[in-house]
Amino acid sequence: DAGITQSPRHKVTETGTPVTLRCHQTENHRYMYWYRQDPGHGLRLIHYSYGVKDTDKGEVSDGYSVSRSKTEDFLLTLESATSSQTSVYFCAIRGGVYGYTFGSGTRLTVV
Amino acid sequence: TQLLEQSPQFLSIQEGENLTVYCNSSSVFSSLQWYRQEPGEGPVLLVTVVTGGEVKKLKRLTFQFGDARKDSSLHITAAQPGDTGLYLCAGAGGAGSYQLTFGKGTKLSVIP
Repeated sequence: DAGITQSPRHKVTETGTPVTLRCHQTENHRYMYWYRQDPGHGLRLIHYSYGVKDTDKGEVSDGYSVSRSKTEDFLLTLESATSSQTSVYFCAIRGGVYGYTFGSGTRLTVV
Repeated sequence: TQLLEQSPQFLSIQEGENLTVYCNSSSVFSSLQWYRQEPGEGPVLLVTVVTGGEVKKLKRLTFQFGDARKDSSLHITAAQPGDTGLYLCAGAGGAGSYQLTFGKGTKLSVIP
């Protein structure tokens, strides 16, 4: 369909545990992004990648790390989850200058 | 940090009414995008405006980019229940940057 899938769709985890979210694309796009969406804040950029092993921080990167070992996969890791990281996480890919496509999101709850 | 202010935050209208959503900033954007998001799904791109003063139409939706490229509006004519959703504007930064800054969104409910 849109060529981008996120997994898992829902996850509940305990405070202090590591969590990895996966974004997979079949479009062979160079740019991939991780956002979080929270009420009252909108979508905020966590990290992004502009190629294999090329990543950079966004505005809310503290507590998150990313990896991109293959063009199609972009992983977001919460090293030690906290309640403030409860959110909906969206991955996006960019083809061309303006063509952003978003995944369906991962709803993460940290208890 | 570039900020985008969207208004109104919530909007509830009757089917058939017209409405306008605004997106304002003190910063200049190289382009501005509008997205629509439904519950449980990611945002879907509706339109990108690039040139100051540009107007684009998508059926009953009219998008305008301000002359100074600091603001934009979305006008919906004769709203329908299918227009219900969260509308987001997002601006791309200066030359060579396509990173998006999002507004907080306008939640639209169209009542049959």
